[in-house]
Amino acid sequence: ETGVTQSPTHLIKTRGQQVTLRCSSQSGHNTVSWYQQALGQGPQFIFQYYREEENGRGNFPPRFSGLQFPNYSSELNVNALELDDSALYLCASSSQKVGTGNSPLHFGNGTRLTVT
Amino acid sequence: QKEVEQNSGPLSVPEGAIASLNCTYSDRGSQSFFWYRQYSGKSPELIMSIYSNGDKEDGRFTAQLNKASQYVSLLIRDSQPSDSATYLCAVNDAGNMLTFGGGTRLMVKP
Repeated sequence: ETGVTQSPTHLIKTRGQQVTLRCSSQSGHNTVSWYQQALGQGPQFIFQYYREEENGRGNFPPRFSGLQFPNYSSELNVNALELDDSALYLCASSSQKVGTGNSPLHFGNGTRLTVT
Repeated sequence: QKEVEQNSGPLSVPEGAIASLNCTYSDRGSQSFFWYRQYSGKSPELIMSIYSNGDKEDGRFTAQLNKASQYVSLLIRDSQPSDSATYLCAVNDAGNMLTFGGGTRLMVKP
């Protein structure tokens, strides 16, 4: 069984640029969640997609946007990058919406984004 | 605002000892509780989940939940140097997100 895969693993961007991060969900999982983890902190919820629709959003500005595709893979897009966007971006998939039937999240290996 | 609090540590224990990691949460409606282990530079790995009051054991790990006190803990018996990592407590309230604590760094010394 293939787990959650993310690409790229590392990325360096300049302030003001745009970035797209990609995530392939685990086989059979229809829900994808994105989290941002700054150095020395716990992950912070960005948003979740369930069956191609955004299904919850954390306290992140609109320049953070996403998509989910019919095969349940997902993209996270960040526009107008700021220095504080430097972080580990984590994708997690689950077979149900988080909180429904106590579905635990299993994370991918993450994308390390550095904004200079 | 929902909060999950953990002592950042580091918590230092000798090899073979019991490591005790603690977490408190603010939302009384929380229903699901998770412990993740995160090695430096890696992504979080789920090690325990607990949904009802009491203890849940899995190998060397025991999770303890007390909803009345809004407290969840993780015990690691016979600690090994390979257990050295940051341990993240996460809480879900049947919504769409997990709320994570800041993590406790555990150091197991040979």
